[in-house]
Amino acid sequence: GQQLNQSPQSMFIQEGEDVSMNCTSSSIFNTWLWYKQDPGEGPVLLIALYKAGELTSNGRLTAQFGITRKDSFLNISASIPSDVGIYFCAGQGPKLSFGAGTTVTVRA
Amino acid sequence: DTEVTQTPKHLVMGMTNKKSLKCEQHMGHRAMYWYKQKAKKPPELMFVYSYEKLSINESVPSRFSPECPNSSLLNLHLHALQPEDSALYLCASSQAYLPESEQFFGPGTRLTVL
Repeated sequence: GQQLNQSPQSMFIQEGEDVSMNCTSSSIFNTWLWYKQDPGEGPVLLIALYKAGELTSNGRLTAQFGITRKDSFLNISASIPSDVGIYFCAGQGPKLSFGAGTTVTVRA
Repeated sequence: DTEVTQTPKHLVMGMTNKKSLKCEQHMGHRAMYWYKQKAKKPPELMFVYSYEKLSINESVPSRFSPECPNSSLLNLHLHALQPEDSALYLCASSQAYLPESEQFFGPGTRLTVL
C-alpha cells in the first residue's frame, strides 16, 4: 500500500508535556488506526477511528479522523516515561497503509 | 482472549536451513496476515489469508511459503533465505479482510539469517 505522510519524524518529551503527531494521505480511508511499538515487540493498537470528524479518547490519548478522510492526529496528554516508543498511523482500506512512524524519546 | 501469539521469539538460521514460523489466534478472526519489518521502518505486507485461503501475495519470493492449516493457525515456511531476509516477522489477524476490521499484531519473530 501507499505510505502516508507522518510528522514529526521524531520528538523528545519531558514528563508532563502534551505531545501531538499527525498523518496525511492523498487517498481517502474509511478507517484510521494508531499503533505504538516498543523495541522488539509488535505494534499495539491504541485507537481506531471509523467516521470522518470522529474524536476518540483512550485514557491520555486522543485521536481525530479528519473531515476529508485524508488525515488524522494523535495527542498524548501529560506524557510519562513509558510513552516512549514508535507511533505509527495507518489507513485501512482493507490493506494497511502505514506512516513512516514518529519516534518518541525522553528528553534528558 | 485478544491475543495473537507467535513462536519462536528469536530464530537464527543458515542460508541452507529450513525452518517455520508459527502464529495462533483464538479470537475467531477469519483474516490473518504476515508482515516483514526492518528496523525503524513500518511493517510491509507479505501475505493475506481470508477464510483460510490465500488472498494476497505481495510478490514475495518463493523462499517464503505461507500455510493456513485452520482458522486459528498461520505458518510461514522458510527455505534458502538470504542475509537480507533478516528482519522482524509479524503476524496479525482481523475479524475479516474488510476496511472496518482493525488488525491486531503478534509480538513478532526476530529472524537472523547467517
